[in-house]
Amino acid sequence: GENVEQHPSTLSVQEGDSAVIKCTYSDSASNYFPWYKQELGKGPQLIIDIRSNVGEKKDQRIAVTLNKTAKHFSLHITETQPEDSAVYFCAASSSNYQLIWGAGTKLIIKP
Amino acid sequence: NAGVMQNPRHLVRRRGQEARLRCSPMKGHSHVYWYRQLPEEGLKFMVYLQKENIIDESGMPKERFSAEFPKEGPSILRIQQVVRGDSAAYFCASSRTGLNTGELFFGEGSRLTVL
Repeated sequence: GENVEQHPSTLSVQEGDSAVIKCTYSDSASNYFPWYKQELGKGPQLIIDIRSNVGEKKDQRIAVTLNKTAKHFSLHITETQPEDSAVYFCAASSSNYQLIWGAGTKLIIKP
Repeated sequence: NAGVMQNPRHLVRRRGQEARLRCSPMKGHSHVYWYRQLPEEGLKFMVYLQKENIIDESGMPKERFSAEFPKEGPSILRIQQVVRGDSAAYFCASSRTGLNTGELFFGEGSRLTVL
């Protein structure tokens, strides 16, 4: 069936360094790829998304890249700050209306 | 414009009791989704509803679980005869259009503990 694999499950980086989280998807019909951030005790919140007609999108310190041929997309966070510590989820749209979710990456920013 | 509102935020039930979780979507949103999340795990899709209609309940157990989104009032996720394994965080999300075209807005979740 359709699935999204997300790596790594845990990522620890020094404050100020960059963090990269990668996802691969299986459904070639997927055309919408959002990234959500979930802070402790809260609901997930959209931080950036990309559609299949573009290869890269950037919003300040956050960027997402998409390689449709390889069916993978990545989240890049530069100049990481303590408030970036959270769990990050990637997702891909399926051939119906659903989002297929990755298992999440726990990002830890070390001071 | 208030976000997605879920209540209760925390709910404790004994085995065999019923749990009712409520979700009011963002204003103007007619699509509601329920997800379940176990500690340290990802989001598991349960059910997708539009006003008065269940569109997809493929992620929801056939027994003891039901969901509705009436014409008036919040969406309700109902769990009958709860068991310990139902303990989890239940998140509701809403969107203005179908997922392939729009952002999903999540509530803060309802944390169910079954004793």
